[in-house]
Amino acid sequence: DQQVKQNSPSLSVQEGRISILNCDYTNSMFDYFLWYKKYPAEGPTFLISISSIKDKNEDGRFTVFLNKSAKHLSLHIVPSQPGDSAVYFCAFQEYGNKLVFGAGTILRVKS
Amino acid sequence: NAGVTQTPKFQVLKTGQSMTLQCAQDMNHNSMYWYRQDPGMGLRLIYYSASEGTTDKGEVPNGYNVSRLNKREFSLRLESAAPSQTSVYFCASSDGPQGYEQYFGPGTRLTVT
Repeated sequence: DQQVKQNSPSLSVQEGRISILNCDYTNSMFDYFLWYKKYPAEGPTFLISISSIKDKNEDGRFTVFLNKSAKHLSLHIVPSQPGDSAVYFCAFQEYGNKLVFGAGTILRVKS
Repeated sequence: NAGVTQTPKFQVLKTGQSMTLQCAQDMNHNSMYWYRQDPGMGLRLIYYSASEGTTDKGEVPNGYNVSRLNKREFSLRLESAAPSQTSVYFCASSDGPQGYEQYFGPGTRLTVT
């Protein structure tokens, strides 16, 4: 039973436009939500996070939105750049300091 | 400051062989983790160590053992490799318990034939 679902395996966006990546979860006990980015042949790198007491967090071109009633997390990238092409994982803090990861969405930004 | 390092980068094993994947971090983090990444499955936790001297099973521990050698090092051992263990393995560390951001190594690509 998957606790975390990234329903879009891939997304293609034109450079300069907005990229929206989505994640749905089932466990209402999740308290902290994160996005990671992964380039080929590298380890994932932390991108941005949000705690359950907020509904939005911004960091430059990246904004994370949390809709707790819908159990939905999204990442907006504006404007998208070719260097943003990567796999994006959402992750949720389980009990202790363990994270549960989604399956990932491949983002391709076309120039 | 190297962050999280992993050795080896690549490995090919025959079924039944054993090997140890090494991981070290120089960030003085308390918690360390081992994940595997398979296509369409995301990152799945194999084992973790919340602090030096403790280890616990994650989501997919079968066929693996771990050792938290000291605060810096956390190794993953495959005693008798199976083709189902073909995967990319990532080690991570975090400052826990409040530091939820985990920092990952570059990964080890393991193929079991």
